[in-house]
Amino acid sequence: QVQLQESGPGLVKPSQTLTLRCTVSGGSISSGDFYWSWIRQPPGKSLEWIGFIYPDGTTVYNPSLKSRAYISVDTSKNQFSLKLNSLTAADTALYYCARNSPQLPDNWFDPWGQGTLVTVSS
Amino acid sequence: QSVLTQPPSVSGAPGQRVTISCTGSNSNIGVGYNVHWYQQVPGTAPKLLIYAITNRPSGVPDRFSGSKSGTSASLAITGLQAEDEADYYCQSYDTSLSASVFGGGTKLTVL
Repeated sequence: QVQLQESGPGLVKPSQTLTLRCTVSGGSISSGDFYWSWIRQPPGKSLEWIGFIYPDGTTVYNPSLKSRAYISVDTSKNQFSLKLNSLTAADTALYYCARNSPQLPDNWFDPWGQGTLVTVSS
Repeated sequence: QSVLTQPPSVSGAPGQRVTISCTGSNSNIGVGYNVHWYQQVPGTAPKLLIYAITNRPSGVPDRFSGSKSGTSASLAITGLQAEDEADYYCQSYDTSLSASVFGGGTKLTVL
């Protein structure tokens, strides 16, 4: 079965750019009609969808991120990545990668990675 | 404030039935977008519990069921067990925000 694993720095300074990577195993990122998402969860709070990418590079982002997010895919490595710039303390969160169901726009997310905690602090 | 409103907490004794509501609007649930539910045990990632209002993924017990009416959806859990203690989130799509949105989450306590 498909599994996802996030990786990246645990601590980033304000105003810097965060780069996270999600490695997909147990299946090809290019197979099927799946999209691949990033979702975050500030400590003690709810979930926020950041955006998704299709294996051909097509992306859709949450407008709330005000164009700070950029998602890319490397099908040769079975990975997709998130860059988030102009970081502030409000970006401190658990960051998850997840697979979208093919149906858009009211897709669901399954499975999820285990999440990686990112703290924005000087 | 979340676009989808859930009660902060619900509780029930083992064996009882509890429901968790998810109230939206005419820019999400009310215009026909699907509702999905996730279970998050503290310290772990969310797990898909119900998709497209009423469907259970393989492995999810039939004690969990979903429904929808108008601008709201509900998750029902029957035969409550200690292992059901977790946070539960609803999710849909909001056409005004052009984004997938989640509810604020509901903490279920098994007494």
